[in-house]
Amino acid sequence: LAKTTQPISMDSYEGQEVNITCSHNNIATNDYITWYQQFPSQGPRFIIQGYKTKVTNEVASLFIPADRKSSTLSLPRVSLSDTAVYYCLVGDASGGSYIPTFGRGTSLIVHP
Amino acid sequence: DVKVTQSSRYLVKRTGEKVFLECVQDMDHENMFWYRQDPGLGLRLIYFSYDVKMKEKGDIPEGYSVSREKKERFSLILESASTNQTSMYLCASSFSGTSSYNEQFFGPGTRLTVL
Repeated sequence: LAKTTQPISMDSYEGQEVNITCSHNNIATNDYITWYQQFPSQGPRFIIQGYKTKVTNEVASLFIPADRKSSTLSLPRVSLSDTAVYYCLVGDASGGSYIPTFGRGTSLIVHP
Repeated sequence: DVKVTQSSRYLVKRTGEKVFLECVQDMDHENMFWYRQDPGLGLRLIYFSYDVKMKEKGDIPEGYSVSREKKERFSLILESASTNQTSMYLCASSFSGTSSYNEQFFGPGTRLTVL
């Protein structure tokens, strides 16, 4: 099974930029990389998605190197409300069928 | 707005009971998923379905089964609940396709406690 690896936790302060990296060595050729955000007592929700290079939306940026074996979620100027768990998702086709595989999540705590 | 609802937010069952967790989505999505979430382990896929009456095993299917008789409804069944199945269960749905390109929409979760 393919694995995705993320840091378990990160701390930051309001106004700083936060970068969270996910490793996914066995990503499938046709697969996209998706990041989700989860607040306590809620289900995860979509933040951003990309295939290669860089993607930016109103919430975050996603950087993907040419080999696609990792990706970095960048949150500009975080606020207290960005405190959440962040998951990266890729598909695992190594066994012959598609299985969406989430990482274990990175718990981000933003301090005042 | 896409809505994914789960039948219960909290559920307490006894060891050996048969447990049904229901999930309904209102966006005509083809794909539906069941995950469990445990501290330190993130989200782990139990089963998923790409069509009515179709199911595929995820990473941790042991002790679970699923049913998808209608497109909007995906049920997770614990045939004989055990204490190690105490967890948060999350249902999700997405449009068709086998790539993670399709955004998954999650329900609020069911916290199941097995005594």
